[in-house]
Amino acid sequence: QQQVRQSPQSLTVWEGETAILNCSYEDSTFDYFPWYHQFPGESPALLIAIRPVSNKKEDGRFTIFFNKREKKFSLHIADSQPGDSATYFCAASGPGNTGKLIFGLGTTLQVQP
Amino acid sequence: GPKVLQIPSHQIIDMGQMVTLNCDPVSNHLYFYWYKQILGQQMEFLVNFYNGKVMEKSKLFKDQFSVERPDGSYFTLKIQPTALEDSAVYFCASSFTGANERLFFGHGTKLSVL
Repeated sequence: QQQVRQSPQSLTVWEGETAILNCSYEDSTFDYFPWYHQFPGESPALLIAIRPVSNKKEDGRFTIFFNKREKKFSLHIADSQPGDSATYFCAASGPGNTGKLIFGLGTTLQVQP
Repeated sequence: GPKVLQIPSHQIIDMGQMVTLNCDPVSNHLYFYWYKQILGQQMEFLVNFYNGKVMEKSKLFKDQFSVERPDGSYFTLKIQPTALEDSAVYFCASSFTGANERLFFGHGTKLSVL
């Protein structure tokens, strides 16, 4: 079953806090897990991605934690800033050269100053 | 950075008519995609396209849908005839290798079928 579940649907944190966004998947053949973000009026853009050879990927304030056994992965945004307010989509894709992504529903993050 | 342009941003059309959504992908990209997002739902894969051919399509890519990129110009999604359930935002994307790497998305075309 090719589904990606994302939670919460919306999240509000204070500036400086760590925001945690969660995703889970069902298809054990998935081998690529990106996070995209979308600011109002803008197009979705890749933020960070991980492959199952690692259980953690960091890029500045953004970290993906990956749990292959539980088929879960999460995005942690440390020291959240008001400029991080956006909708975040997790996604997954399987092997092969298709680049086909299965997206979650998205989490709307609001960072309050 | 590289940009994918979609034209128009909003299209209103009567049910049964034909519509063509246009996408100008990043210039050196080789793989092209269409995704569909109904309001309140996730973005869903429709089709990908490489070397002049459809590589994979989902069950959402009905017989009324077609894609092409004639002579390296716009990558287009044509719906003929349109149905009410085709109302959605359609996102075009492109990538260089397609092998699970960064997809560059356009802003989307909102299609309203009346």
